[in-house]
Amino acid sequence: EDKVVQSPLSLVVHEGDTVTLNCSYEVTNFRSLLWYKQEKKAPTFLFMLTSSGIEKKSGRLSSILDKKELFSILNITATQTGDSAVYLCAGPPPLSNTGNQFYFGTGTSLTVIP
Amino acid sequence: NAGVTQTPKFQVLKTGQSMTLQCAQDMNHEYMSWYRQDPGMGLRLIHYSVGAGITDQGEVPNGYNVSRSTTEDFPLRLLSAAPSQTSVYFCASSLDANYGYTFGSGTRLTVV
Repeated sequence: EDKVVQSPLSLVVHEGDTVTLNCSYEVTNFRSLLWYKQEKKAPTFLFMLTSSGIEKKSGRLSSILDKKELFSILNITATQTGDSAVYLCAGPPPLSNTGNQFYFGTGTSLTVIP
Repeated sequence: NAGVTQTPKFQVLKTGQSMTLQCAQDMNHEYMSWYRQDPGMGLRLIHYSVGAGITDQGEVPNGYNVSRSTTEDFPLRLLSAAPSQTSVYFCASSLDANYGYTFGSGTRLTVV
């Protein structure tokens, strides 16, 4: 049983398109949800979301969390070939847990065509 | 700062051999974790630690041991390597529960 489910599994778009990546989870009482970008090597941190409804933004990337409906989205506007990567969602450990372990989804593979 | 340093970067083992994957961080992070990444499976948590002397199991702990004698180091031991342990292993650390993880560059392990 997957704790974190990402969709779609893969996506191919043209440069300039806007994409929305989805992440759903099952834990209701938690601290945070994370988004990462993974190219050839290690995942690199994008966002940590802790509050529902508050958008986090970094350049053309933005993300928001809906704690009521148990999902998060990652938006990328005006996509570029450098956005091609696997995007990983990591959520959430329960608040009662003293650790900081996160469970990752299988990721969404994004390919941006020139 | 070096961040999270993993060694070796590549390793080939024979079935039944044991080895230790090293992980060190110089950011004074309390939380450290080991993940393995397999095609189509995403990152799966093996073991984690919330501070020196404290470790716990993640999703896939069988066949692996960890210890955390210092804040800086979190080695992962393969007791008796099996082909199913062929994977890319990532070590990650974070300051505390309010921060995301910083990942090391990974160790690609092949067990033949």
